[in-house]
Amino acid sequence: DTAVSQTPKYLVTQMGNDKSIKCEQNLGHDTMYWYKQDSKKFLKIMFSYNNKELIINETVPNRFSPKSPDKAHLNLHINSLELGDSAVYFCASSPNDGPQHFGDGTRLSIL
Amino acid sequence: GEDVEQSLFLSVREGDSSVINCTYTDSSSTYLYWYKQEPGAGLQLLTYIFSNMDMKQDQRLTVLLNKKDKHLSLRIADTQTGDSAIYFCAEFILTGGGNKLTFGTGTQLKVEL
Repeated sequence: DTAVSQTPKYLVTQMGNDKSIKCEQNLGHDTMYWYKQDSKKFLKIMFSYNNKELIINETVPNRFSPKSPDKAHLNLHINSLELGDSAVYFCASSPNDGPQHFGDGTRLSIL
Repeated sequence: GEDVEQSLFLSVREGDSSVINCTYTDSSSTYLYWYKQEPGAGLQLLTYIFSNMDMKQDQRLTVLLNKKDKHLSLRIADTQTGDSAIYFCAEFILTGGGNKLTFGTGTQLKVEL
């Protein structure tokens, strides 16, 4: 199946821990993104990468570090998790000027 | 500005038409999109319209764009219970600083029998 896939789907962890979310797309897109959806369903872009290069960083705390080993992967590592990091994190990909296709989301809960 | 506004809730009866409205502020938008999010699921691309178009129809979906007023709407004909979801409009902006989508606040559509 051609898709954007992210793992894990659910992530429950304690405050202060470090965790990673992985994302892969097999659509051949050049650009990948991370979005955060808060408890009120508001979606906001965090990062975008084009061909492994960081293009957008929307004033996200530096505890969040994206890494793109190749243009089909964009992983998100989060250090020292805080309660306010609880949210759904969506990965997406797109061609340079085309519509974005989203993964199913990772539901992060901080205890 | 990058504010994209939508009404929060819409309730319709099955079989009626639904109209979901969206206003945006950035006139440099090149595309405007509609996404659907069902409970616990990701975002599904429904349709999109180029900024130089006024209307686009795709089966039960009709998108209207009034660029002068920066107003976008999504009409769903013969609304079904399976259409119950949150609908997001989003504007796509091509910039030298990176292309991105700015999402609206989302409209929760509830379809009643």
